[in-house]
Amino acid sequence: NAGVTQTPKFQVLKTGQSMTLQCAQDMNHEYMSWYRQDPGMGLRLIHYSVGAGITDQGEVPNGYNVSRSTTEDFPLRLLSAAPSQTSVYFCASSFGRYQETQYFGPGTRLLVL
Amino acid sequence: RKEVEQDPGPFNVPEGATVAFNCTYSNSASQSFFWYRQDCRKEPKLLMSVYSSGNEDGRFTAQLNRASQYISLLIRDSKLSDSATYLCVVNMNQRRGYQKVTFGTGTKLQVIP
Repeated sequence: NAGVTQTPKFQVLKTGQSMTLQCAQDMNHEYMSWYRQDPGMGLRLIHYSVGAGITDQGEVPNGYNVSRSTTEDFPLRLLSAAPSQTSVYFCASSFGRYQETQYFGPGTRLLVL
Repeated sequence: RKEVEQDPGPFNVPEGATVAFNCTYSNSASQSFFWYRQDCRKEPKLLMSVYSSGNEDGRFTAQLNRASQYISLLIRDSKLSDSATYLCVVNMNQRRGYQKVTFGTGTKLQVIP
């Protein structure tokens, strides 16, 4: 099993550009989520999904969209990048909605100029 | 007050020492608790769950004090490989049938030769 994979590993964007961060898992997990991690802030939940076709907002959803058309994939879209979105983004998955163990992808480091 | 608070450290300890971290949480309805480990520029990984009766995994002991709303992690006989950031995680059931996951900002441990 590859576990949770994320692409790209690094990305530099200009303000106003859009992009999609990819996340995939091969563990047949129901629950997937996106976090951002900033110095001194901890991991903050952006969006999550409890199954294919079901998504909901987390703590910091503004400026981001998600969709979950399959169990395996959960892409995160930045609609119009802003410097405040410079961060490390982690995708995570867990077997059920009572997410005893979350498995994280390796992260995407995003710099918005 | 933050929902989950940790001393950011760093804790600099010599090899072989015993070190303990605490994490406090604000919501008494919180239901499950975890410690994750995050190496520099890597993704978080589950270290151990924290049970009400306390639990041990090798050199690591986790305890929960619901009355005072804190969890602790004790590391005995510290190894150089224990150097990492330790994240406290608190889950709470939500009405919509999923768990809200809140991460602390982490405590950095540096084990010195």
